[in-house]
Amino acid sequence: GAGVSQSPSNKVTEKGKDVELRCDPISGHTALYWYRQSLGQGLEFLIYFQGNSAPDKSGLPSDRFSAERTGGSVSTLTIQRTQQEDSAVYLCASSLDSSALYGYTFGSGTRLTVV
Amino acid sequence: AQTVTQSQPEMSVQEAETVTLSCTYDTSENNYYLFWYKQPPSRQMILVIRQEAYKQQNATENRFSVNFQKAAKSFSLKISDSQLGDTAMYFCAFMKHGGSNYKLTFGKGTLLTVNP
Repeated sequence: GAGVSQSPSNKVTEKGKDVELRCDPISGHTALYWYRQSLGQGLEFLIYFQGNSAPDKSGLPSDRFSAERTGGSVSTLTIQRTQQEDSAVYLCASSLDSSALYGYTFGSGTRLTVV
Repeated sequence: AQTVTQSQPEMSVQEAETVTLSCTYDTSENNYYLFWYKQPPSRQMILVIRQEAYKQQNATENRFSVNFQKAAKSFSLKISDSQLGDTAMYFCAFMKHGGSNYKLTFGKGTLLTVNP
């Protein structure tokens, strides 16, 4: 597509429920990233996918968080048993390759609210 | 590990005036890239300007320019002739060059308001 597409735009969920956030990167971009933006904070790296290589999961805050990328394109970030501290904006980005020397192209994010 | 500090949580400027946003960073790397991103209320992060550490010349993109001081590890953003559409959060970010250089490390942002 023309840009990075994320869905849903907003999600309200009850504490303890599971949620899935979707990211559709720019066509042809091999690298995909997830970041979390909490209120008053900068962006926190969560996970990185590059082609068919094993992802870098070093930023995932707990084992309740997982992500997959199917066919080297669409990615899904899953949060199990959501907690109130999971409330944040989840941003997805993609880049042409792993060097990302010109930065990333971001989506508009999913605002997750856990009540 | 790299850290990025933006010491101004909020700033305001009158339309048509000039404003400078500060950013400092800490790294032991010699080769790296620095970025300024803008995040308007739409939430989408937009790349404003990019600087390569090995280049001494400061990057410029239309009304946006940077003052890159490598020795001082400072990377400020100057916005000239401010416009209402410049109102946004601005994030400074660092990326090391080479190896696993794909991670961007962000500061906490500066909220800029341009007043009419």
